[in-house]
Amino acid sequence: AQSVAQPEDQVNVAEGNPLTVKCTYSVSGNPYLFWYVQYPNRGLQFLLKYITGDNLVKGSYGFEAEFNKSQTSFHLKKPSALVSDSALYFCAVRVPYGTDKLIFGTGTRLQVFP
Amino acid sequence: EPEVTQTPSHQVTQMGQEVILRCVPISNHLYFYWYRQILGQKVEFLVSFYNNEISEKSEIFDDQFSVERPDGSNFTLKIRSTKLEDSAMYFCASSVSAAYNSPLHFGNGTRLTVT
Repeated sequence: AQSVAQPEDQVNVAEGNPLTVKCTYSVSGNPYLFWYVQYPNRGLQFLLKYITGDNLVKGSYGFEAEFNKSQTSFHLKKPSALVSDSALYFCAVRVPYGTDKLIFGTGTRLQVFP
Repeated sequence: EPEVTQTPSHQVTQMGQEVILRCVPISNHLYFYWYRQILGQKVEFLVSFYNNEISEKSEIFDDQFSVERPDGSNFTLKIRSTKLEDSAMYFCASSVSAAYNSPLHFGNGTRLTVT
């Protein structure tokens, strides 16, 4: 079965420090990978995606993510965290054929402390 | 930047009642979706809709659920007879194409509470 795992319920980081939010996936075929962010009382906002090509993709608000096919991972990163980055982050995968749906991970709450 | 808008933001209803959740997708988008998130759980796919018909639905989307695009702008989710376990945040989403690399744009959600 297709699945996405986010092993950490919460990640705490000090402002100015680098952050990593982990994501691994299990799908058949070559997946399309996405990160979304959810601020309180808001919907899911698209951050970035990996389709093909360079394994390091850059997205909104200074975030980037690294695709690692051998480890089936797509970790979200940012070199220097801001307090305003505190939110709920979701990794999602879309299998390129046979289905419309996005499969989401359980989410990781990022807390950036001043 | 254009947004997906959902109304109401919070709906409280009694078990057995019908509810209609409303969404206005981004105007040039052609593909529409409903997802839901039960409190503390993952976001789950319910249904996708294109060209005035359902293109895919999940096991959750049983006969109690229906979707409609009654005019050129609205996209609705109806639950005919709500159950306690339907309590969740419901998200509408749209995308410009069905291309698998096309990101979905989500609304802010409707929190449905069934009592």
